[in-house]
Amino acid sequence: DAGVIQSPRHEVTEMGQEVTLRCKPISGHDYLFWYRQTMMRGLELLIYFNNNVPIDDSGMPEDRFSAKMPNASFSTLKIQPSEPRDSAVYFCASSSRGGDQPQHFGDGTRLSIL
Amino acid sequence: TQLLEQSPQFLSIQEGENLTVYCNSSSVFSSLQWYRQEPGEGPVLLVTVVTGGEVKKLKRLTFQFGDARKDSSLHITAAQPGDTGLYLCAGARNNFNKFYFGSGTKLNVKP
Repeated sequence: DAGVIQSPRHEVTEMGQEVTLRCKPISGHDYLFWYRQTMMRGLELLIYFNNNVPIDDSGMPEDRFSAKMPNASFSTLKIQPSEPRDSAVYFCASSSRGGDQPQHFGDGTRLSIL
Repeated sequence: TQLLEQSPQFLSIQEGENLTVYCNSSSVFSSLQWYRQEPGEGPVLLVTVVTGGEVKKLKRLTFQFGDARKDSSLHITAAQPGDTGLYLCAGARNNFNKFYFGSGTKLNVKP
């Protein structure tokens, strides 16, 4: 299996620009999670989906952040407009059946907002 | 404030030594997971514990879930350079799908 695939691996952009991060979960997994990792706050859950439906978005920091899952094999996390404090590594993870099933993480997108 | 506090934050030891890292909270968790993360990669699951007092072994790694399900420990016997990485604990409370991650313990094992 190919694992969770995230793109791009690195993104550098200027403040105010729109940023779109992409994720392809493992085929057959019903749950998809978006996380953000920083030195200060560690790994934080932003939002998760079950069967393409957003279930809990309480971790999304502001209205500037939005996430979609148009089908079972694709999800996006968008930041518009971006700010320097959004700089972090963003991870996507997927799992089958949720619960205590393992979450399989992608290798992340390192985002730098100048 | 983190829901799960991990200690120590950093640990640098020689190959062959033993070590224990801790994951503590004032909250009760329905399950707790341990992950290891290497630079430039996502975390990889090591183990899941669900029962208070449960002990699981994975080769040289021993994981324990506290009786009250508020804390956990990871003990590594005879550490090797390949054990180097960031160790993260993650706990789920009432929502079994929502995991809260600790800040991590960064382990460096020197040859």
